[in-house]
Amino acid sequence: TQLLEQSPQFLSIQEGENLTVYCNSSSVFSSLQWYRQEPGEGPVLLVTVVTGGEVKKLKRLTFQFGDARKDSSLHITAAQPGDTGLYLCAGLNTGNQFYFGTGTSLTVIP
Amino acid sequence: KAGVTQTPRYLIKTRGQQVTLSCSPISGHRSVSWYQQTPGQGLQFLFEYFSETQRNKGNFPGRFSGRQFSNSRSEMNVSTLELGDSALYLCASSWGPNNEQFFGPGTRLTVL
Repeated sequence: TQLLEQSPQFLSIQEGENLTVYCNSSSVFSSLQWYRQEPGEGPVLLVTVVTGGEVKKLKRLTFQFGDARKDSSLHITAAQPGDTGLYLCAGLNTGNQFYFGTGTSLTVIP
Repeated sequence: KAGVTQTPRYLIKTRGQQVTLSCSPISGHRSVSWYQQTPGQGLQFLFEYFSETQRNKGNFPGRFSGRQFSNSRSEMNVSTLELGDSALYLCASSWGPNNEQFFGPGTRLTVL
């Protein structure tokens, strides 16, 4: 069972554009993490959000956790080619188990 | 601190064989999780070990097993390999109240 749905699945944009990736679930998570994965490598942790409604900023990346702790979004401002990669959200349930989202493959064209 | 290391990085096996993959976590991390990543199914949780005990298990057949040693290093074993077992196997060590995970580079397993 896939508990976390990400949209869009694929995204190809020009350098300088803004974008938003969504991570949705019908389940409540105690925390949610976002990762970026590049080809041939393991995912790299970007951020952890814990509190409903929490907003965290990491340079040009803004992460938000939904009020009900069921969904999250990642917004990238002025995308750069270095942002290219597979973005994954992962929710931690009360049983201390992670469920990963379906992934969003982002390509930023110079 | 050194990151999570996984060996081997690449492996080719034939159907019916078995395979053992190894993971060394970040020093001080006591939790190790294993995941299978495929293009069709994405990242799926296999199991988690904490202090040599399996703490969580995903929905995989019994052919997939693992263990953790006293130094927190972990191994996973897949017996009677099937073509569908071809995947990137990722290991992650974690710590902290939010269980933040740090992944290794993975082992690419190809079953012929």
